[in-house]
Amino acid sequence: ETGVTQTPRHLVMGMTNKKSLKCEQHLGHNAMYWYKQSAKKPLELMFVYNFKEQTENNSVPSRFSPECPNSSHLFLHLHTLQPEDSALYLCASSQDLGSQGGYTFGSGTRLTVV
Amino acid sequence: EDKVVQSPLSLVVHEGDTVTLNCSYEVTNFRSLLWYKQEKKAPTFLFMLTSSGIEKKSGRLSSILDKKELFSILNITATQTGDSAIYLCAVEAYNNNDMRFGAGTRLTVKP
Repeated sequence: ETGVTQTPRHLVMGMTNKKSLKCEQHLGHNAMYWYKQSAKKPLELMFVYNFKEQTENNSVPSRFSPECPNSSHLFLHLHTLQPEDSALYLCASSQDLGSQGGYTFGSGTRLTVV
Repeated sequence: EDKVVQSPLSLVVHEGDTVTLNCSYEVTNFRSLLWYKQEKKAPTFLFMLTSSGIEKKSGRLSSILDKKELFSILNITATQTGDSAIYLCAVEAYNNNDMRFGAGTRLTVKP
């Protein structure tokens, strides 16, 4: 375990469903991130939170809705997704926003939209 | 626009071979370049490089950065099947709040 825990590990949902992805870290980090990883594509940054305030929304469709109730927890609420949204969704955290030295990643949620 | 390009996209070798993975970048206000290994799902940190010409080494893995030619290489000597993974390169800039990733190199080491 990396210290960043994501649940569920796998999720299959229909296009009309509503589901949520959860990310939790107890590393004392202040910044948290959502990334999307599609096959053969670079990781795409979706959202950035710093001290539970959203600092970046990287032109993500509104069918993805993030929530950060505190610095340790991050959610990604999903609703009316499309099949092309199927991907691995990775959560990451870092000590501070833009802190040099890389992030700690969770194991991701493999999402399949049918 | 900032970009990070990794090559090759995939590579198949046999145990004992030496491999070199490449990462080139175009980033404004470059701060550092990082390598990650992604075996199953969670990318795990390997190296962070900030200065040209200084080799970072960890066991059979080593990496070096060339800030003039804007690239980095990751070397793995005496490869083992456990080295099979996707290797990700990412670049940090001073004016950004995130890292820009390449598409990764998928390395398969056969027994």
